[in-house]
Amino acid sequence: GQQVMQIPQYQHVQEGEDFTTYCNSSTTLSNIQWYKQRPGGHPVFLIQLVKSGEVKKQKRLTFQFGEAKKNSSLHITATQTTDVGTYFCAGIAGYSGASKIIFGSGTRLSIRP
Amino acid sequence: ETGVTQSPTHLIKTRGQQVTLRCSSQSGHNTVSWYQQALGQGPQFIFQYYREEENGRGNFPPRFSGLQFPNYSSELNVNALELDDSALYLCASSAPGTSGGRRETQYFGPGTRLLVL
Repeated sequence: GQQVMQIPQYQHVQEGEDFTTYCNSSTTLSNIQWYKQRPGGHPVFLIQLVKSGEVKKQKRLTFQFGEAKKNSSLHITATQTTDVGTYFCAGIAGYSGASKIIFGSGTRLSIRP
Repeated sequence: ETGVTQSPTHLIKTRGQQVTLRCSSQSGHNTVSWYQQALGQGPQFIFQYYREEENGRGNFPPRFSGLQFPNYSSELNVNALELDDSALYLCASSAPGTSGGRRETQYFGPGTRLLVL
């Protein structure tokens, strides 16, 4: 069945350093979403990528969708303590009600002040 | 705040019991999805309801069932609870889309933490 792998599982960085998490799907995706979950909280939608090769930016966050629509990345420039949390990608394959959304296992980001 | 509420916030049950979890969607959202999130894992898609009909299901057994009401609030029912059902259960609502599919932005509720003993 469809799988979405996310690496690394954990990342511990010094405040101000950059951070990247990678997401790889076993099947071609129609779109991919990214979420952030703070400790003890619930996932919060960050962005959706739909087009092959798409790049979107939100302030210090840069999201990319691969040309083959099977991988994606989230890059944070100059991390801040407010970036702490777990970042999940969620891959969607198909366009109908039969499509499924598969979440990666997440990358937990911790930051040394 | 996403405007999505869930109840109860925490629940303790014993193996074999049945549980009903509730979700109130954000106003105007006609699609609700339910997820199970085990500790340290990503959310796993259970099923989605669109205009009161099930609109897709993940790899969960039939003892996981749901309902969506005319006001778009929703319930998740789990029968014959097992220890492995202990998890955070999340519902997420989304605005009307082209097919009630999975391309729309989802707004998650705070979740119900279920412990099965």
